[in-house]
Amino acid sequence: DSGVTQTPKHLITATGQRVTLRCSPRSGDLSVYWYQQSLDQGLQFLIQYYNGEERAKGNILERFSAQQFPDLHSELNLSSLELGDSALYFCASSVVEGPNEQFFGPGTRLTVL
Amino acid sequence: DAKTTQPTSMDCAEGRAANLPCNHSTISGNEYVYWYRQIHSQGPQYIIHGLKNNETNEMASLIITEDRKSSTLILPHATLRDTAVYYCIVSLYSGGGADGLTFGKGTHLIIQP
Repeated sequence: DSGVTQTPKHLITATGQRVTLRCSPRSGDLSVYWYQQSLDQGLQFLIQYYNGEERAKGNILERFSAQQFPDLHSELNLSSLELGDSALYFCASSVVEGPNEQFFGPGTRLTVL
Repeated sequence: DAKTTQPTSMDCAEGRAANLPCNHSTISGNEYVYWYRQIHSQGPQYIIHGLKNNETNEMASLIITEDRKSSTLILPHATLRDTAVYYCIVSLYSGGGADGLTFGKGTHLIIQP
């Protein structure tokens, strides 16, 4: 158990819909990262938040957005869903300073029908 | 971030040392080498990281060549639970916490009984 929690575990929805994935980082971790893992693209970094502020963007689509709240939990919003958005979405967190490890949550499996 | 090259798959007998190579010939002086692994569809798990010197922790050892163009992850006594995809990642530390990671295809390590 990494200490990072993600909800829901599974999500099934239809094309065109909007969903919200939630992540609670480890206690004390200020950085939160979102990753997408699909069969064809592998594991891709989407976006990073640090203490409520967006810090870095990776391969995140414009239809996707994220935020980190004052209690440090984060939400990833996916809208206008397409079949290709079906994937595992992982959240990770890390301590404040230094080149260090990221602790990954168990993931949310999104299926778009 | 510098690109890494890893073998697609490797086998190792249970109880033996598993040596996983990684080439990162374009690594820059301030980029770190990280190793993560992913067991089935679980969240990736941090193993170890280093800059120049060899590193060891309770899970593994990391050997980085003097020119830093390649590295080897060593699992000293592999068990069946070590069967996983192992990712070698090179990442720049830019301060204020770890940056988003760029995962390649990794090495699928299979531990044989």
